[in-house]
Amino acid sequence: EAGVTQSPTHLIKTRGQQATLRCSPISGHTSVYWYQQALGLGLQFLLWYDEGEERNRGNFPPRFSGRQFPNYSSELNVNALELEDSALYLCASKRRSGTYEQYFGPGTRLTVT
Amino acid sequence: AQTVTQSQPEMSVQEAETVTLSCTYDTSESDYYLFWYKQPPSRQMILVIRQEAYKQQNATENRFSVNFQKAAKSFSLKISDSQLGDAAMYFCAYRSARTGTASKLTFGTGTRLQVTL
Repeated sequence: EAGVTQSPTHLIKTRGQQATLRCSPISGHTSVYWYQQALGLGLQFLLWYDEGEERNRGNFPPRFSGRQFPNYSSELNVNALELEDSALYLCASKRRSGTYEQYFGPGTRLTVT
Repeated sequence: AQTVTQSQPEMSVQEAETVTLSCTYDTSESDYYLFWYKQPPSRQMILVIRQEAYKQQNATENRFSVNFQKAAKSFSLKISDSQLGDAAMYFCAYRSARTGTASKLTFGTGTRLQVTL
């Protein structure tokens, strides 16, 4: 089966702009998770979507938002970009039930200048 | 809130040797899952091994095994017969067994493993 895919691979934006990152889960997976991996900080949980609804969010400001579409793909939007938003953004997907494992995509490297 | 600590920022092992990566965690819950993920330079996070807290038997996946000490809240990863392809960043992660809002993974800061000839 095809894995989790993310686009774009790299994204360069300037401070104050908006960034949109996309994620397609594994077929049959209904949950999508977003994580931020900033240099030296490990992975921090951002958002969790399941069945089209936001189920939980991490300790991030409201300018980090997203949505999940009927086909379970997801979009992460970051508004009013700040330099410290530069990071690798990882998306993971999980089947709704019967398993607890999350499978990760290759990530989008966001650079804010 | 749960926390995961990896106290070894970097480790090095010779090819064919064995290395153990350490992980401790803090939780007040009794039922949870623990994972080791590998992140090579390609950035793709790969699940290496998982452990259910209710199982006393340590998980094993080929050359990878864990030493799960629930009372000590310790979850170390042992890599036997190390190979060059094992070189990567290794992350320990925790997930509550509660459904709903506890579905997220909490990660440690990672251990960079170098494999030398």
